[in-house]
Amino acid sequence: GQQLNQSPQSMFIQEGEDVSMNCTSSSIFNTWLWYKQDPGEGPVLLIALYKAGELTSNGRLTAQFGITRKDSFLNISASIPSDVGIYFCAGTGMYSGGGADGLTFGKGTHLIIQP
Amino acid sequence: DAGVIQSPRHEVTEMGQEVTLRCKPISGHNSLFWYRQTMMRGLELLIYFNNNVPIDDSGMPEDRFSAKMPNASFSTLKIQPSEPRDSAVYFCASSLEWRTGADQPQHFGDGTRLSIL
Repeated sequence: GQQLNQSPQSMFIQEGEDVSMNCTSSSIFNTWLWYKQDPGEGPVLLIALYKAGELTSNGRLTAQFGITRKDSFLNISASIPSDVGIYFCAGTGMYSGGGADGLTFGKGTHLIIQP
Repeated sequence: DAGVIQSPRHEVTEMGQEVTLRCKPISGHNSLFWYRQTMMRGLELLIYFNNNVPIDDSGMPEDRFSAKMPNASFSTLKIQPSEPRDSAVYFCASSLEWRTGADQPQHFGDGTRLSIL
């Protein structure tokens, strides 16, 4: 099946620093999504990307859908304590027809912020 | 608006027992997904439904697992008999139906933490 390679696995940064994480795949994805998960909760959608080359921002977050459709990155600028959590990339493959498709998830990036 | 609602939040039971997890999707969403999260394997898709019809159950690990969606507002994931290796957090997610080439993002519930002793 399809797999997503997400890196880095964890990040230890100082408050105020910028953060960058990425996902790559050996196969083409039709959609890239970035989620954040806090302890004891489900993943919460941060950004959705639908077109190759698309660059989308959501506040201090910026994500891009790679032109080859095989990668995506997420940047967080000026990190704050509440950014702590696990960030997941996720994607759906090429559609064979109509209907929704299940997500393939990366293994996550643990973000830890030191005050 | 209410999000995806899952119950119970926590379940602890002995191996061999039947376990039923429940999910109420967001009103108006017609696609529903069941995922399992473990430390070793991360988040994995188990099965999903479009308009109450199961589309892809290739992620269901064994015949001990079954899922139903009797109507647009309710789904169950059942494990019978349960085993210790089934211990995980099980998430339900829902979305609007895919249309015109743009996927509709999935919204997740807070999960059921299942422990099989």
